[in-house]
Amino acid sequence: EVQLVQSGAELKKSGESVTISCKGSGYSFNNYYIGWVRQVPGKGLEWMGLIFPGDSDTTYSPTFQGRVTLSVDKSFSTAYLHWNNLQASDTALYFCARADGFRDVFDYWGQGTLVTVSS
Amino acid sequence: DIVLTQSPGTLSLSPGERAILSCRASQSVPSNSLAWFQQKPGQAPRLLIYGASLRAAGTPQRFSGSGSGTDFTLFISRLEPEDYGVFYCQQYGDSVFTFGPGTKVDVK
Repeated sequence: EVQLVQSGAELKKSGESVTISCKGSGYSFNNYYIGWVRQVPGKGLEWMGLIFPGDSDTTYSPTFQGRVTLSVDKSFSTAYLHWNNLQASDTALYFCARADGFRDVFDYWGQGTLVTVSS
Repeated sequence: DIVLTQSPGTLSLSPGERAILSCRASQSVPSNSLAWFQQKPGQAPRLLIYGASLRAAGTPQRFSGSGSGTDFTLFISRLEPEDYGVFYCQQYGDSVFTFGPGTKVDVK
């Protein structure tokens, strides 16, 4: 069974750093893209970027370029989303999702990680 | 970036009725790479339709998608009580993927 399991909620202060994770299982982790999607509470979905675990090739949405860093650790079948210098506007629910190719649909999703940033 | 617009914003229907959800793109979606997701409160989005008209595994047959270019539609033939939530369209054919703002469906 394909599963993406994300790390738990984070409560941080403005200016701090945080990394959240997404562990894949039940499939060949290295061969599927992992994407990240932001959802501000009560709002819609925003695509943040994609990473290919096989070679760590990464594409960012211009909105998030320079604000976040995507990475993977193949040995742990885990993808990461990292922020330096968090802002209150980063408060949101963050989902990871799997795609079969670079321009392919997200077919499996993690349960989401809530990041709350206080000013 | 391709901007997606969805209508209506909210749909309130009774079980057994037919729902029609629209998604319009600001420019042609490459390869009709358009997906529909359903999101219920407190849950992750669930893939329903991809490639504009292909049902994802586990998607009931009452859900169908159509369209090409800039105009896409999700049909729910006969609403079931569990078909509530916010339905999002997403294009994944451009270099920057984008989501529509969503249509909220209430099944009363």
